[in-house]
Amino acid sequence: DIQMTQSPSSLSASVRDRVIITCRASQSISTYVNWYQQKPGKAPKLLIYAASSLQSGVPSRFSGSGSGTDFTLTISSLQPEDFATYYCQQSYSTLFSFGPGTKVDIK
Amino acid sequence: EVQVVESGGGLIQPGESLRLSCAASGFIVTSDYMTWVRQAPGKGLEWVSIIYIDGSTYYADSVRGRFTISRDSSKNTLYLQMNSLRAEDTAVYYCARVTAGAFDLWGQGTMVTVSS
Repeated sequence: DIQMTQSPSSLSASVRDRVIITCRASQSISTYVNWYQQKPGKAPKLLIYAASSLQSGVPSRFSGSGSGTDFTLTISSLQPEDFATYYCQQSYSTLFSFGPGTKVDIK
Repeated sequence: EVQVVESGGGLIQPGESLRLSCAASGFIVTSDYMTWVRQAPGKGLEWVSIIYIDGSTYYADSVRGRFTISRDSSKNTLYLQMNSLRAEDTAVYYCARVTAGAFDLWGQGTMVTVSS
């Protein structure tokens, strides 16, 4: 099975900060990575698919990059509504898996 | 409106069975891959199962042999039959549509509590 790790597990940031979250796969998975945002009590929301494609309706301050085993999610200028938990997910294997999440809170 | 709505959760005793439903509108469940994801209280997301357009099914190791994913085209509904439930199956269960490997449409979730 493919294991996904994320770093950091949590971070504190201020509005307008640039935030970078890293995701690593236990084996090469090309660009089969997706990113989700989840707010407390809500369902996850797809932000980025195929490592770098922005889902329709998602603000352009979100971007993704990477291939192989290392991936990043970047929020170029953090907004108040971006405080949430972020998950990466691999779709390379038929047995999908998520990273453990990165919680972004207010400094 | 394109949406999925889960139902069927509740409080159930260990060892018992429960069937979750996921009613879709605005698209056809048999024309898309569909998946179940769960989230234990205070924990991260855990992928549970997927059903492909051709009917192929796959399961996480933690539920294989106990859970069964299926769909009913006449009701445009996805199901998750859960047998031999354990305390560690306690979670919010989400269904989602899968597009190019990404889970692009999620329901609000249904809570399953396994406790005596």
